[in-house]
Formats: sequence, structure tokens, C-alpha cells
Amino acid sequence: QSALTQPPSASGSPGQSVTISCTGTSSDVGGYNYVSWYQQHPGKAPKLMIYEVSKRPSGVPDRFSGSKSGNTASLTVSGLQAEDEADYYCSSYAGILFGGGTKLTVL
Amino acid sequence: QVQLVESGGGLVKPGGSLRLSCAASGFTFSDYYMSWIRQAPGKGLEWVSYISSSGSTIYYADSVKGRFTISRDNAKNSLYLQMNSLRAEDTAVYYCARVDGAAAGRHFQHWGQGTLVTVSS
Repeated sequence: QSALTQPPSASGSPGQSVTISCTGTSSDVGGYNYVSWYQQHPGKAPKLMIYEVSKRPSGVPDRFSGSKSGNTASLTVSGLQAEDEADYYCSSYAGILFGGGTKLTVL
Repeated sequence: QVQLVESGGGLVKPGGSLRLSCAASGFTFSDYYMSWIRQAPGKGLEWVSYISSSGSTIYYADSVKGRFTISRDNAKNSLYLQMNSLRAEDTAVYYCARVDGAAAGRHFQHWGQGTLVTVSS
């Protein structure tokens, strides 16, 4: 299994929406409705933001949403806020596969 | 609340060994799969190993198979990672994480703060 593919960077202005993609194969992202997304601020542990493609754990703002089409999953952050600036990682295939991470910058 | 606290990291020479521990609290430890995940400096996340709730089922990433051993002590609410034949590329922050979901749907809702392992001569 190869790592999932994410763009290295994404950006948006406060209040805007940004979408981060995560591309895998039919054996992982495309084969299961089991994609999760993690947010990581510098020096901190990752935080689960989305699981099972589109479910939000308790406490995660509804500004964060997930979706999937074919072999590509997406994380959308709406109404961008300064505190959303962080690295974001997707994961699939029982958490064994991670994407390379996307650095989200709030301009 | 769920707490995971790793310990045991440090500086070790190539070829050396180290044992990481993770103390769990705030949940019924024996009910959950647990996992180790690592992050090399400035790099992304890499899954290392899973262990089932009873300890009977274990999985490893190919990069550590044969060198690392995961184990748990449910009586002590503790997870361990014995790392042998360490290489420079094992240098990373090692996170302990509770596994939620099942099978292909496994994900990590709770993470420890991480412990740094540095392999260098």
C-alpha cells in the first residue's frame, strides 16, 4: 500500500472556504467509506476532525465537513478562522495509510 | 476524560534498543485496540503498529517488522513498544493512540502528547 496523496499546501482568507483533497486507490479510499482527517498544530498531537468520510466527533465545529467521490476524499473548511491554520492529514485503510499532509494557511 | 501519557523516549545509538510506555486512563483500557504512530521531524504521520484489546492480534508496518514489538498490560492500563536494532530513520516523535471503529474503519480519536526518540551516534 502506498501513502495517500495530498496537496502540500492550501490557503484562504478568513471567512472563505477551502477544500483539501486526498487521493488513494480503489483498494483504500475508493474501496471503503472509511476516511478520517486529522488536524495538527505545531508541536501538538494530531486531533481527529472527521471519521468515516463525513462524521464529526463531538466538539468539532460544523465548519469542518468531509466527502468522497471515487478514489478521492475531501475535507472542506468553511468560514475560515485564524485557528484553522494547521497541518491536515487524511487517513484510510484502517488508519494504516496516511496522506503526506497539507499545510493550511489562513491569509 | 481520556488520557494517554507516553514515556521512555530519548537518545540512543544506532543498533541500540529502547522501550516506550503509554499509561492510559479515563476509559476501560481492556476494551480497546491501541496503536503506535510516529512522526519524523518535519515529516508526516506514519502508522507503526496495532494491538487488539486482548493482545492476541498484532500488526506492524513493514518498516519496523522484526525489530519492534508491541505489547500491553491490561491490569496496568499500559501499552508498550520495544524497539530493537534502531536506525537513524526511526528518529521520530512516537504517539500512543486509542483505536476507535473496527476493521477498515479504524481511526484515532485520542492521542498522547508524544515522546521523542532520537537515533544518533
